[in-house]
Amino acid sequence: KAGVTQTPRYLIKTRGQQVTLSCSPISGHRSVSWYQQTPGQGLQFLFEYFSETQRNKGNFPGRFSGRQFSNSRSEMNVSTLELGDSALYLCASGSETQYFGPGTRLLVL
Amino acid sequence: QKEVEQNSGPLSVPEGAIASLNCTYSDRGSQSFFWYRQYSGKSPELIMFIYSNGDKEDGRFTAQLNKASQYVSLLIRDSQPSDSATYLCAVPINSGGGADGLTFGKGTHLIIQP
Repeated sequence: KAGVTQTPRYLIKTRGQQVTLSCSPISGHRSVSWYQQTPGQGLQFLFEYFSETQRNKGNFPGRFSGRQFSNSRSEMNVSTLELGDSALYLCASGSETQYFGPGTRLLVL
Repeated sequence: QKEVEQNSGPLSVPEGAIASLNCTYSDRGSQSFFWYRQYSGKSPELIMFIYSNGDKEDGRFTAQLNKASQYVSLLIRDSQPSDSATYLCAVPINSGGGADGLTFGKGTHLIIQP
């Protein structure tokens, strides 16, 4: 079974821009969660989608949004990027147990 | 707000010894607990999960859960240099089991000394 895939793997943006990250879960998994990982704050939950519906949301500003498509693929969007948004963004697949993708490393200049 | 606490380390253990990693959690209603390993520059990898009080063994890894004390630990027997990594403890955002969103501890950095 193929694992979780995320694109792009690396991204450089400037402040004020927006970015869209993509995640394809393990085949058959309908739940996708997104996390932000930074050295200072660790791994923090952003939101979780199941069958195209957001079920859980973490404590992040409205600039962070996401969606899930009928094939379970998910995207997250960050608008009006700030320097502090520089982080590793991880997608995880599965409900009973979660399996992580390789992540997208975002650098905001 | 659920909290998961871990000692950040580094925890230094000689090769061949037992490494003991600890985690406490704030929500008494938490039903399931997860341990992930993360190598530098890589994404977290699921090692074990445990739902019931007591011990759960998988190869060189043993997870121990004590719900009364709100404490979960991970033991690594016969530690190898390849076990050097950051170990993350996690509980579900919502009590009641499942893993549809997890709250993570900051992780313990483990170093196995050859």
